[in-house]
Amino acid sequence: ETAVFQTPNYHVTQVGNEVSFNCKQTLGHDTMYWYKQDSKKLLKIMFSYNNKQLIVNETVPRRFSPQSSDKAHLNLRIKSVEPEDSAVYLCASSQTGGGYEQYFGPGTRLTVL
Amino acid sequence: GDSVTQTEGPVTLSEGTSLTVNCSYETKQYPTLFWYVQYPGEGPQLLFKVPKANEKGSNRGFEATYNKEATSFHLQKASVQESDSAVYYCALSDPGGNYKPTFGKGTSLVVHP
Repeated sequence: ETAVFQTPNYHVTQVGNEVSFNCKQTLGHDTMYWYKQDSKKLLKIMFSYNNKQLIVNETVPRRFSPQSSDKAHLNLRIKSVEPEDSAVYLCASSQTGGGYEQYFGPGTRLTVL
Repeated sequence: GDSVTQTEGPVTLSEGTSLTVNCSYETKQYPTLFWYVQYPGEGPQLLFKVPKANEKGSNRGFEATYNKEATSFHLQKASVQESDSAVYYCALSDPGGNYKPTFGKGTSLVVHP
């Protein structure tokens, strides 16, 4: 099956803890993304990678750090989570180029208590 | 920078009625325009895309025309069904690359039987 896979589906943690999310795509794409989706369904891009290289780094707190081991994998680590980090984190991938659509994973829902 | 403005939701309709979700965009370039749909518990998925002005995209009874003069890309469906209940996103990416696509805020559609 070719798709974008994310783990875990859900994560509940307490303020100050560290969390990590994983994303893998089997579509053969070169570009991968992390988005944050808030409770109002607003999609905000956080990072874009092309062939393991960071291309876009939006204004994101420094406690967020992405990592890509190869073009098919993109992880996100959050050090010392805060309540405002509660959201759905969506991973996506696409072919490189302006006319290509993005393929999204199902998301990881993070709840910070 | 680029921007996309779309109808604020929620939009509530009865089955069998028609739908229009307005989408206007601003960019200095010649973008590809997209409509994505997100069903509960899933990531957004492409509904259709249109790369050229004055062309129409369509899928599952939904359609939109790329109007370059009016900078609009309104989503329409003649007769909605309960299964169309979802969040709809209008988006654009510039021809120079898709590392930072621009999404609208999303429009939640609720269709009652």
